[in-house]
Amino acid sequence: GESVGLHLPTLSVQEGDNSIINCAYSNSASDYFIWYKQESGKGPQFIIDIRSNMDKRQGQRVTVLLNKTVKHLSLQIAATQPGDSAVYFCAENRGPSGAGSYQLTFGKGTKLSVIP
Amino acid sequence: GAGVSQSPRYKVTKRGQDVALRCDPISGHVSLYWYRQALGQGPEFLTYFNYEAQQDKSGLPNDRFSAERPEGSISTLTIQRTEQRDSAMYRCASSSEGGGGETQYFGPGTRLLVL
Repeated sequence: GESVGLHLPTLSVQEGDNSIINCAYSNSASDYFIWYKQESGKGPQFIIDIRSNMDKRQGQRVTVLLNKTVKHLSLQIAATQPGDSAVYFCAENRGPSGAGSYQLTFGKGTKLSVIP
Repeated sequence: GAGVSQSPRYKVTKRGQDVALRCDPISGHVSLYWYRQALGQGPEFLTYFNYEAQQDKSGLPNDRFSAERPEGSISTLTIQRTEQRDSAMYRCASSSEGGGGETQYFGPGTRLLVL
């Protein structure tokens, strides 16, 4: 079935470098996308979101890019720090289900390791 | 402020026993979701509440799974006659509104182990 997926399961970057985590989605009806960060033993933590009427959104050290033409989402982390080490999930909201809920569909995650 | 809380954090049970997992959403949040997360995977949807109404239970794997949110706040996910395949991390999330495009905030989860 349709799902959100990630191109790279693991990513290692040097501290201070920029990180780019990619995600492909297949449901063209999805209108809301979220990046979550999950540290070991913790629940997914909201990082940044973007709606389908935008192609770029910036936060503090993070930028999300949305390319609806190729159904691609990316998370850019500037000046990566050791505290950024975690698993990153992209999630899509496909709009209301037949029952009216807005559950998120997650990909499998990318593990980001920051090398000091 | 307080985030989503879940209890217990860990639950070990024997096959065939019933378990009840509790979720306390962020105060005032209308929507509450239950997800199940396997190791190395993203959370998968189980069920959704809008206030006290269970509007979507399409993700519940079978009729041994049920959930309630009687007063529109705290929710309980119950698994009857547990099986080993039920072992997983169960996560709860809440959002402030009932519509789409609202951020879902996740709790720390309950790790269930069925022996």
